[in-house]
Amino acid sequence: DTAVSQTPKYLVTQMGNDKSIKCEQNLGHDTMYWYKQDSKKFLKIMFSYNNKELIINETVPNRFSPKSPDKAHLNLHINSLELGDSAVYFCASSQGTVEAQYFGPGTRLLVL
Amino acid sequence: DAKTTQPPSMDCAEGRAANLPCNHSTISGNEYVYWYRQIHSQGPQYIIHGLKNNETNEMASLIITEDRKSSTLILPHATLRDTAVYYCIVRDSGAGSYQLTFGKGTKLSVIP
Repeated sequence: DTAVSQTPKYLVTQMGNDKSIKCEQNLGHDTMYWYKQDSKKFLKIMFSYNNKELIINETVPNRFSPKSPDKAHLNLHINSLELGDSAVYFCASSQGTVEAQYFGPGTRLLVL
Repeated sequence: DAKTTQPPSMDCAEGRAANLPCNHSTISGNEYVYWYRQIHSQGPQYIIHGLKNNETNEMASLIITEDRKSSTLILPHATLRDTAVYYCIVRDSGAGSYQLTFGKGTKLSVIP
């Protein structure tokens, strides 16, 4: 069974569109995250979501909005997609702040 | 910004121990040292973490110096599947410090 899953695996879309990426974890963790890995392979945190508390990285444009319907899911909505949004987006989860984070396989977003 | 310094790349012969160094000279008393790796095109994978004492699990050993300013990740018998980018991360265990700040890591190549 996949611990952290993401859909879709690949996403190709046009500039200006709105898209969503879904993430689910079956580990019973209380904290979930979204990371972005750009073309230079730098991996940066975008959001952390713990027990209904959202912690936002201030450098993330407000076109990006996480939504958590329950503890097992953290979806990422992106409005008005731009070329610079092209990247690999990773979802992760952990139990508390000290324990390991488990990452999903990534969603490869290409904006044309 | 990453609080660690790692060599950009290393080679290791298959079957030999891989010793990956990490400097974290500004680490504070409540910060843990974490190691993750990212195999090409996959999500980051947790390896091990520690605070003060040396740690060992089924994947690796973590040796932290007494002054905690540096550490070494040891893969005891490297295989070709260990070829990956290895990230050393220092993270506060306090509330609100959920995210991992990834640096450039060390690209480990295991050679047959």
